Order: sequence, then C-alpha cells, then structure tokens
Amino acid sequence: VQLVESGGGLVQPGGSLRLSCEASGFTFSNYWMHWVRQAPGKGLVWVSQINNDGSSTTYADSVRGRFTVSRDNAKNTLFLQMNSLRAEDTAMYYCLSDVDAAIGRDWGQGTLVTVSS
Amino acid sequence: DVVLTQSPLSLPVTLGQPASISCRSSQGLVGSDGITYLHWFQQRPGQSPRRLIYKVSNRDSGVPDRFSGSGSGTDFTLKITRVEAEDVGVYYCMQATHWPPYTFGQGTKLEIK
Repeated sequence: VQLVESGGGLVQPGGSLRLSCEASGFTFSNYWMHWVRQAPGKGLVWVSQINNDGSSTTYADSVRGRFTVSRDNAKNTLFLQMNSLRAEDTAMYYCLSDVDAAIGRDWGQGTLVTVSS
Repeated sequence: DVVLTQSPLSLPVTLGQPASISCRSSQGLVGSDGITYLHWFQQRPGQSPRRLIYKVSNRDSGVPDRFSGSGSGTDFTLKITRVEAEDVGVYYCMQATHWPPYTFGQGTKLEIK
C-alpha cells in the first residue's frame, strides 16, 4: 500500500493550492479517505473526509467553505482544493486511508503547505 | 467536540523499562454499533505517523507485541512492556466514534533517559 501526496508549496495569503494523493496497492474505490494536517511542531488535526464514491464529504470547522475534498476513483487519486489560504493553514498535509472502519491504517509521506507573504 | 486528554505529555523512560500513556475522553467512545473507535498512533522524529493499535486493543500488522492497548468507556491506555530505542517519538490517541470532527489527543513525547 502506498499513498503519495503532492502539490504543496509556498503560497501567499488569500491564494489557492490543490493537493493530490495518489493511492496504490489497495482497492481505492472501496474506502473512505481523509486529510489530516500538522502545523510545524504541533499535533495532528483532522481536516476532511470523503466517502468511497465521493458523494459525501465532511470538514473541520476551520476549513469548511474554503477547502473542498474530492476523488477520482478511475485514477486512484484523492484531492484537496484549498482556497482563501491563511497563515494558520501552514502545515504538513497527510492523506489517510479508512479501511475496515478504522481510520489511519495507511498514511502518505505528507506534503508541506506554507502560507506566507 | 470530543476532547482527548493524554498524560503524561512528556515521558522519559529507561531502556528496557515499561511505559504507559493514558488517554481520557470527554465522553464515552462506544459507538451505536457497540464498537469503540479509539486508535493509537506513533510518530517517530521526521516521519509520518503510523498506526499501532486500532479499536482499543487490536495491534496493527508489523507492530511489535510489546505494544498493547486497553480501556473502555472514557479511559484508555497504551502500554509498552520494554522500551527500545526505536520507540522514541510522539504518541497520539484518536477517536473516530463521534464525528465530525475526528479528534486527537495532544500527544505524548517519549524519550530515553
């Protein structure tokens, strides 16, 4: 099983980024997926989830209305569209699997988002 | 939101000695299906987190049997029978019963004395 995130980088406040997470080694379309972030030197914070077919999504209050999670099961890829970025969104962003109703069996290596002018 | 409170936040341990981390929840974590969705993660320095224990007491594949999880209701514990050098890192509990949001504890930093 492998999850590989990409798309992070330096962006100005108010800007946008689109993160991707490419999955392999398991039947991606069968499972819910999540995004979790970790600010530098801080703990883990759940950001968003999406069900297996993409018809249902949930967000943390801190990102609702600014972030959109989606997936392309044909390409085994999870996305996180991040708009109106703020300095407090600066963090490492991880994608996680949710297999057998137990979140977090698999984690990616993370992609770093830095929001700064 | 469910608040998970871990203790201690810092845990210096001598090699070969046991270690124990507590995770207390602000509300009971038994789901409507009777399952308790409380998991434990380890994050070694510079690495992504890794799940050790899922649903209170189930050890993930490849996790050494010196790690065990226990508890019920609002009180949960991660135990290491004999700490090894590779166990250094931060340990987090997480609840997936009452969501959104899914919530993590603050983390417990284990170091070798």
